[in-house]
Amino acid sequence: GESVGLHLPTLSVQEGDNSIINCAYSNSASDYFIWYKQESGKGPQFIIDIRSNMDKRQGQRVTVLLNKTVKHLSLQIAATQPGDSAVYFCALPSGGYQKVTFGTGTKLQVIP
Amino acid sequence: EAQVTQNPRYLITVTGKKLTVTCSQNMNHEYMSWYRQDPGLGLRQIYYSMNVEVTDKGDVPEGYKVSRKEKRNFPLILESPSPNQTSLYFCASGRGEQYFGPGTRLTVT
Repeated sequence: GESVGLHLPTLSVQEGDNSIINCAYSNSASDYFIWYKQESGKGPQFIIDIRSNMDKRQGQRVTVLLNKTVKHLSLQIAATQPGDSAVYFCALPSGGYQKVTFGTGTKLQVIP
Repeated sequence: EAQVTQNPRYLITVTGKKLTVTCSQNMNHEYMSWYRQDPGLGLRQIYYSMNVEVTDKGDVPEGYKVSRKEKRNFPLILESPSPNQTSLYFCASGRGEQYFGPGTRLTVT
């Protein structure tokens, strides 16, 4: 089955700096990747996704980079704000996007 | 407003007492799924449903049942809960980009 890992448990960044959250995966056939944000006491919320035919995708203040060669993806948050404090998960849908494997998550702490 | 609702939000029960956690979505999604979240383990998929009367096991289905008799509802059933099912449970709808409910914190003593 799919395994997703190599998260740092906690990442602390100064407000205004850029944040980089990483995720590694094992299945080279994975073709779709999603990042979710989970604020305290809430369910995960979709941030951005990327398909395997792309290396980079940008959203509002967020960028996802995909390196298929080393099976690694990252989420970059520009000008990190206190409201970005949350746990971030990468998720890999598979099997026709029916089964979903989540990483263990990275807790982002923003220092004012 | 697009929404996934779960009830109850909090539940404390005893070993062996059957319980049901309800989940409902208003987005007309065919796909729905249940996850449990445990510290250090992330979210693990319990069951999913592709459509009415179509369900399948996720990674951790033991001890759980589901049913999908209506498109909008996808209840999670624990016929004989055990302490190792103490967890935070999330229902989600949508395939690919998923919409999550607010979670149900279950404690089994």
